[in-house]
Amino acid sequence: DAGITQSPRHKVTETGTPVTLRCHQTENHRYMYWYRQDPGHGLRLIHYSYGVKDTDKGEVSDGYSVSRSKTEDFLLTLESATSSQTSVYFCAISEGGQGPQHFGDGTRLSIL
Amino acid sequence: QKEVEQNSGPLSVPEGAIASLNCTYSDRGSQSFFWYRQYSGKSPELIMSIYSNGDKEDGRFTAQLNKASQYVSLLIRDSQPSDSATYLCAVKVEGGGNKLTFGTGTQLKVEL
Repeated sequence: DAGITQSPRHKVTETGTPVTLRCHQTENHRYMYWYRQDPGHGLRLIHYSYGVKDTDKGEVSDGYSVSRSKTEDFLLTLESATSSQTSVYFCAISEGGQGPQHFGDGTRLSIL
Repeated sequence: QKEVEQNSGPLSVPEGAIASLNCTYSDRGSQSFFWYRQYSGKSPELIMSIYSNGDKEDGRFTAQLNKASQYVSLLIRDSQPSDSATYLCAVKVEGGGNKLTFGTGTQLKVEL
């Protein structure tokens, strides 16, 4: 399995609180991604990174921010969590610009 | 809106039969195509990548790509109960960032 660790694996929090999810990789891959997966919508890209301090938005970026200060870590922050952000969040990595992405085990986030 | 479409299923096949999973995509410039398997409650797992027209075989799996028809398929020979899962089709979006667009997946059930 690709060396990808997501933390926490499960989290329950309240509306309006900030939440940070962490993705840590040991593969030294350049690209890292954050997705959310919801029934009926499939996997949707939130943000991605193509290098340290280089990030860009995906299709569902509103309400989320990211940071990448080291190659191995990519953080996803929900600035003020809302119930619509209840979802399963997956981190993925890829080595280059053409190859496949490999996924972490996911974080199940519930916002009450 | 770049789209990837899959029949949600469930697709039911008897054990030992060939399962055929289909995917169409709208971006004619797409160059890279991937099939992922996702068991319930687990993360997506890469099973096939295909980049050029024709067939690509790996064990019991065959991916077929037809760029003119904007169609990619996955055949699973000698289907086993352990193949029961949701299969996600992913297409690389033209442009930077190695971004993928995912279909919503086809649920496959292999029956004894």
